[in-house]
Amino acid sequence: GESVGLHLPTLSVQEGDNSIINCAYSNSASDYFIWYKQESGKGPQFIIDIRSNMDKRQGQRVTVLLNKTVKHLSLQIAATQPGDSAVYFCAENPGTYKYIFGTGTRLKVLA
Amino acid sequence: NAGVTQTPKFQVLKTGQSMTLQCAQDMNHEYMSWYRQDPGMGLRLIHYSVGAGITDQGEVPNGYNVSRSTTEDFPLRLLSAAPSQTSVYFCASSYNTGGSGYTFGSGTRLTVV
Repeated sequence: GESVGLHLPTLSVQEGDNSIINCAYSNSASDYFIWYKQESGKGPQFIIDIRSNMDKRQGQRVTVLLNKTVKHLSLQIAATQPGDSAVYFCAENPGTYKYIFGTGTRLKVLA
Repeated sequence: NAGVTQTPKFQVLKTGQSMTLQCAQDMNHEYMSWYRQDPGMGLRLIHYSVGAGITDQGEVPNGYNVSRSTTEDFPLRLLSAAPSQTSVYFCASSYNTGGSGYTFGSGTRLTVV
């Protein structure tokens, strides 16, 4: 909901432009990563995932890049649309079921 | 297929009151969990369950109880509500314990006054 996004960094992009959202993860043992999208008042929604044996994975209009050397993950959204406005956060899995979630970035799409 | 269903969507409690947040999933997922989401913080794990009859504590379990009598249901109980428990609560489930991501419910916004 809105209260979750009060203290988040915000990325503002023009409609039609590409967006890049970054995430620094914490555990070098993490071997699976997910990007989630959370719209206002809703639960997080799975966007795309990547395993540590890959450095890039593409979906529909989205690409995730993984740099294990610097523990960095990025989400690229092509041709950003108004419906992409949301909070985006990454999650890392250092093993079993205990995911570590990032705090998120708010994406605002300007018409 | 409803996915993960949480009730209620909103709740206001007085300090000291108890209540149960309901969570049900119809995907036959073995793994279920409860998270809380607070401003400026990532989702924090409260309790989780790897199957019916099995529960364990997460990162912030104090003040909460859970049980898992069936695969479908995983209720979260607040024993004596405190203002620090004001938060948005999410239930999530997954097919296995890792590597497949979660399906989240739509959340319960709880305010304790």
